[in-house]
Amino acid sequence: DTGVSQDPRHKITKRGQNVTFRCDPISEHNRLYWYRQTLGQGPEFLTYFQNEAQLEKSRLLSDRFSAERPKGSFSTLEIQRTEQGDSAMYLCASSSDRYTGELFFGEGSRLTVL
Amino acid sequence: AQSVSQHNHHVILSEAASLELGCNYSYGGTVNLFWYVQYPGQHLQLLLKYFSGDPLVKGIKGFEAEFIKSKFSFNLRKPSVQWSDTAEYFCAVKPGRRALTFGSGTRLQVQP
Repeated sequence: DTGVSQDPRHKITKRGQNVTFRCDPISEHNRLYWYRQTLGQGPEFLTYFQNEAQLEKSRLLSDRFSAERPKGSFSTLEIQRTEQGDSAMYLCASSSDRYTGELFFGEGSRLTVL
Repeated sequence: AQSVSQHNHHVILSEAASLELGCNYSYGGTVNLFWYVQYPGQHLQLLLKYFSGDPLVKGIKGFEAEFIKSKFSFNLRKPSVQWSDTAEYFCAVKPGRRALTFGSGTRLQVQP
């Protein structure tokens, strides 16, 4: 499968714990995006990378959230000191430089904070 | 505030009925417009896109959308829906170099 893959698919954690999600984009895509989706809402933009450079971050991305793409390939999204309000589906997507609005999404990582 | 609005949260239609889902955005300047679809149990995928040129764009599975600049709208249409069109539909706007912003989605339920 050469699509976008995310790991883990589902994470259950206790409030206050740290969690990390990984995303492997389509190999030839330079751009990688993180979105968050809650029930009944559309995906909310969190951040995106072009290669290893983080080009845009949403105001929604508090200081507890950090994302990296160290070698311009896979990316990680870490949430520190999780809160119940962080429970959501975390979506990763990738695109080429040429077609930047055409996102290819992964299956998502569902976070449940107890 | 800049936003994308989808007016219908939940639409129920019978097979063969016509569909129109509304989408309005509030960004100024040049935008690219998209509709994405999420079928039950599947990930989001692109349905159609508008960059420039003919404001009536055609996508996969018989869907089309019309960009009306004066109304800041990009409504999705299909003349005759099928049961397999049951899904959630998201309008999305890409303002300039910024990342894609999605609307809240419309859940379409097509009854056989």
